[in-house]
Amino acid sequence: GAGVSQSPRYKVAKRGQDVALRCDPISGHVSLFWYQQALGQGPEFLTYFQNEAQLDKSGLPSDRFFAERPEGSVSTLKIQRTQQEDSAVYLCASSLTSGSIAHTGELFFGEGSRLTVL
Amino acid sequence: SQELEQSPQSLIVQEGKNLTINCTSSKTLYGLYWYKQKYGEGLIFLMMLQKGGEEKSHEKITAKLDEKKQQSSLHITASQPSHAGIYLCGAEPIFAGNMLTFGGGTRLMVKP
Repeated sequence: GAGVSQSPRYKVAKRGQDVALRCDPISGHVSLFWYQQALGQGPEFLTYFQNEAQLDKSGLPSDRFFAERPEGSVSTLKIQRTQQEDSAVYLCASSLTSGSIAHTGELFFGEGSRLTVL
Repeated sequence: SQELEQSPQSLIVQEGKNLTINCTSSKTLYGLYWYKQKYGEGLIFLMMLQKGGEEKSHEKITAKLDEKKQQSSLHITASQPSHAGIYLCGAEPIFAGNMLTFGGGTRLMVKP
């Protein structure tokens, strides 16, 4: 596609519900990143995929968070038993290759999925 | 871990005024990125700096990276309402691969 596409744009969940957030990266992009951005904060790294392999998940805040990219393109971030502190914008980004971004170019971001947990 | 401090946290300027936003790292940077974010939208890439002393400009926005590669500044000349938004600096730590860590952002409002 023309850019990184995320869905849904807005999601309201009751505490305890499971949610799934989808990311369609730019076609052919090898690297995919998920970030969490709380209100008034900068984005915080969650996890990184190189094709279908999840190479870094050190930023996932708890075992309720799970991400996958089974075919190396679309990725899903799943949050189980949502809590109020999970309320944030979840940003997905992709880049063309697996090397340093400084060498391969910019990181392209989607518009984010805004999750509100009541 | 890489920590980026941005200052000021928020800024209100009169249209036509110049302004500067700073981004300071606790570690030497491999790459320094500036992004702009409007409310409810994703991050828009502005520019990337990699070399010590490097300076880049795009329209009325100029970004510099100091010689030690630990501090960057973003300067906007003759600000316009369209410049309003959140400015984020992101850094790629040396030897840490291709993950960006971000500062807390600077919220800019331009009064017409």
